[in-house]
Amino acid sequence: QQQVKQSPQSLIVQKGGISIINCAYENTAFDYFPWYQQFPGKGPALLIAIRPDVSEKKEGRFTISFNKSAKQFSLHIMDSQPGDSATYFCAASPQGGSARQLTFGSGTQLTVLP
Amino acid sequence: DSGVTQTPKHLITATGQRVTLRCSPRSGDLSVYWYQQSLDQGLQFLIQYYNGEERAKGNILERFSAQQFPDLHSELNLSSLELGDSALYFCASSVWDGKETQYFGPGTRLLVL
Repeated sequence: QQQVKQSPQSLIVQKGGISIINCAYENTAFDYFPWYQQFPGKGPALLIAIRPDVSEKKEGRFTISFNKSAKQFSLHIMDSQPGDSATYFCAASPQGGSARQLTFGSGTQLTVLP
Repeated sequence: DSGVTQTPKHLITATGQRVTLRCSPRSGDLSVYWYQQSLDQGLQFLIQYYNGEERAKGNILERFSAQQFPDLHSELNLSSLELGDSALYFCASSVWDGKETQYFGPGTRLLVL
């Protein structure tokens, strides 16, 4: 019940295209869903996050869509750029107190071709 | 730069040895989290400390232990090291005042030979 399943494992997109990464979860106690971006040799960095009381959140070229009934959420990167080439992780965090450990998906390696 | 610092950046050691990884959280952050990143297991939560107290435990081996000191820095101790412990170890920190954002450090790459 603690798993977060992420797909696809890798994604190749042309410059200017739309990148879509999907995640699904089982644990209904999760109430915070961030996406992290990781470049080689670096730590993960928060990209955008959503809570289940909204169905969509947009920040610049990045949008999270959230479907609470299906227990699924996805990241859309509009106008993808070569600089977006990185590994993307979805994650989820449970409710309650100050115990907010993240359960991560397996990651998606995105390559944006120039 | 996230403001979280980790030392050392790289560590090479032998099986059976013991190492200590250090993490300094962002100024004002009370929570420290440790994660392990390996090719086969991905990013896995190990343990969380909040203001000096253990708050949550994940898939942390009994050979591993951690603590958070009064100045809020944290150390992860790995003992009786095995080849399979080779991984990237990340520390993250957050302010627990209802804001969940975790800021990750640059990681320590551990290689056990």
